[in-house]
Amino acid sequence: QVQLQESGPGLVKPSETLSLTCAVSGYSISSGYYWGWIRQPPGKGLEWIGSIYHSGSTYYNPSLKSRVTISVDTSKNQFSLKLSSVTAADTAVYYCARGEEGIGLDYWGQGTLVTVSS
Amino acid sequence: SYELTQPPSVSVSPGQTARITCSGDALPKQYAYWYQQKPGQAPVLVIYKDSERPSGIPERFSGSSSGTTVTLTISGVQAEDEADYYCQSADSSGTYPWVFGGGTKLTVL
Repeated sequence: QVQLQESGPGLVKPSETLSLTCAVSGYSISSGYYWGWIRQPPGKGLEWIGSIYHSGSTYYNPSLKSRVTISVDTSKNQFSLKLSSVTAADTAVYYCARGEEGIGLDYWGQGTLVTVSS
Repeated sequence: SYELTQPPSVSVSPGQTARITCSGDALPKQYAYWYQQKPGQAPVLVIYKDSERPSGIPERFSGSSSGTTVTLTISGVQAEDEADYYCQSADSSGTYPWVFGGGTKLTVL
């Protein structure tokens, strides 16, 4: 059974960098699929942040591209998100997920709330 | 950037049929996927490849595609189907592989 689990600080100060990690169990990241991040501000819809393919290719939402870095650590079977220069508008539940064309986003983490506040 | 458009809300009575649409220029070329999200929970995939249903998803959930519009149909709606529904697809070039629609709140009256 594939499982994804987000971890990281729940509170980040404005202008700092938000860092989250998604630990994957039950499947080797290097074997395939896209791995990515989606966020959901309180009371709003889902927003794709970015994805990384198992080969290492990255894809970012153009509205966030200048501030986002997604990377993979195959030795730990996890992938990470860094979002720089955060503001209150970045307050959201952050989800990690696995996806593939023709399959969709078939496994999601439970989500973690990150609040940007001083 | 690429956008998918959904109606903000749909309301139906129990036992009726709910239809939720999603429009996007690249939908004739890219598969669409549908997710159900209940309050406080992560989204769950209910339709993939426009019209396929994952194992464990009730048969009352179905999907269809016509031109630049895809439709999620829930037949015989039940109270437990009240949730937010999101479509997801990619732009025509695949540069943006995970694009979401704005979401539709399904209310069961």
